[in-house]
Amino acid sequence: SQTIHQWPATLVQPVGSPLSLECTVEGTSNPNLYWYRQAAGRGLQLLFYSVGIGQISSEVPQNLSASRPQDRQFILSSKKLLLSDSGFYLCAWRREVLNGYTFGSGTRLTVV
Amino acid sequence: GDSVTQMEGPVTLSEEAFLTINCTYTATGYPSLFWYVQYPGEGLQLLLKATKADDKGSNKGFEATYRKETTSFHLEKGSVQVSDSAVYFCALLNDNQGGKLIFGQGTELSVKP
Repeated sequence: SQTIHQWPATLVQPVGSPLSLECTVEGTSNPNLYWYRQAAGRGLQLLFYSVGIGQISSEVPQNLSASRPQDRQFILSSKKLLLSDSGFYLCAWRREVLNGYTFGSGTRLTVV
Repeated sequence: GDSVTQMEGPVTLSEEAFLTINCTYTATGYPSLFWYVQYPGEGLQLLLKATKADDKGSNKGFEATYRKETTSFHLEKGSVQVSDSAVYFCALLNDNQGGKLIFGQGTELSVKP
């Protein structure tokens, strides 16, 4: 069966430090992969999506970047974190057409 | 572009009360519609979905009907439980628009015993 893993579950980082969040999917090949952010008290915003290795589309200008070095691996990064980068980050992959997305358990990032 | 609008929360109900969370959408073509639920401290889980007009999605006592004429997908449950306390997100997926899942702002539900 297909599963999605995200880590770490929680992270506290100082302003200006780098960031790397990892997401991996098992049990499928060539999935579409997505990074969402949920800021405190707000909805979900799509940050990046990828339809294949090395293919990244950015939805909003920001301090973050994404990479897909392997078919089932999606990484969210930053060189220097800002306070405004705090939030709940969710990775997702898309199953077959019409079935929506499956989400990971999320990473709660607090920038201090 | 496509968008989803949900009723604002928080919604506070007593156990066994009737629940309605309104959701309307704007989209070109024929999107699929979804309700996701987020329990405290967790990620999102798919609650139910509908892929075409007049479809009714249902799961765990929750229901929503895809109404194209009113561009709505309201979530209902006849008798809520304390364990239903969570944040509920309405979302649409439009393959005409790149297959991106677009969410409403979420509605927090709190059920009191």
